[in-house]
Amino acid sequence: AQSVSQHNHHVILSEAASLELGCNYSYGGTVNLFWYVQYPGQHLQLLLKYFSGDPLVKGIKGFEAEFIKSKFSFNLRKPSVQWSDTAEYFCAVRVDSNYQLIWGAGTKLIIKP
Amino acid sequence: DSGVTQTPKHLITATGQRVTLRCSPRSGDLSVYWYQQSLDQGLQFLIQYYNGEERAKGNILERFSAQQFPDLHSELNLSSLELGDSALYFCASSGGGPGDTQYFGPGTRLTVL
Repeated sequence: AQSVSQHNHHVILSEAASLELGCNYSYGGTVNLFWYVQYPGQHLQLLLKYFSGDPLVKGIKGFEAEFIKSKFSFNLRKPSVQWSDTAEYFCAVRVDSNYQLIWGAGTKLIIKP
Repeated sequence: DSGVTQTPKHLITATGQRVTLRCSPRSGDLSVYWYQQSLDQGLQFLIQYYNGEERAKGNILERFSAQQFPDLHSELNLSSLELGDSALYFCASSGGGPGDTQYFGPGTRLTVL
């Protein structure tokens, strides 16, 4: 069965540090890839998505992600985090144009001021 | 604000009871998705409706059912509630195409005592 792995369940960084959150999926076919963010007490919001084309995708709030097909990965990056980036981050994958998303377990990111 | 509304925000009930959660999609969206988010299971896809018809089914228990009405709002019915059903229930909506972004509502927090 297809699955999505987010290996880091909790990440703690200081402000201005660089961020990379890992996301790996297990499926060899066509995928659409998403990163969502959930700020404390709020609903899930789309950060960025990849469907095709340039594997480096830029999203909102300075986030970007790179799709590496050979590694089945879609890691999220930000060069310099802010306290306001404290949130839970979810990676999700859609396979073969199915309608449902397969979700990772989420990574809780805490930014120390 | 994503444009997706959910009511109620909080629900506290007892084991064995039945509750109904309501979701109104964004204007123009034809598809509604239901998710359950709990501490131990993470974000789980339950079911998807498109223009009144069930389109995809995930890990939805037989005690749970959903429907989408002609005005496109959706209801999730949870019956014979157990303590383990306590969770945050999210609704999301999209245009309905496999490439469409899902926009999430604020969720309903269900507590079963």
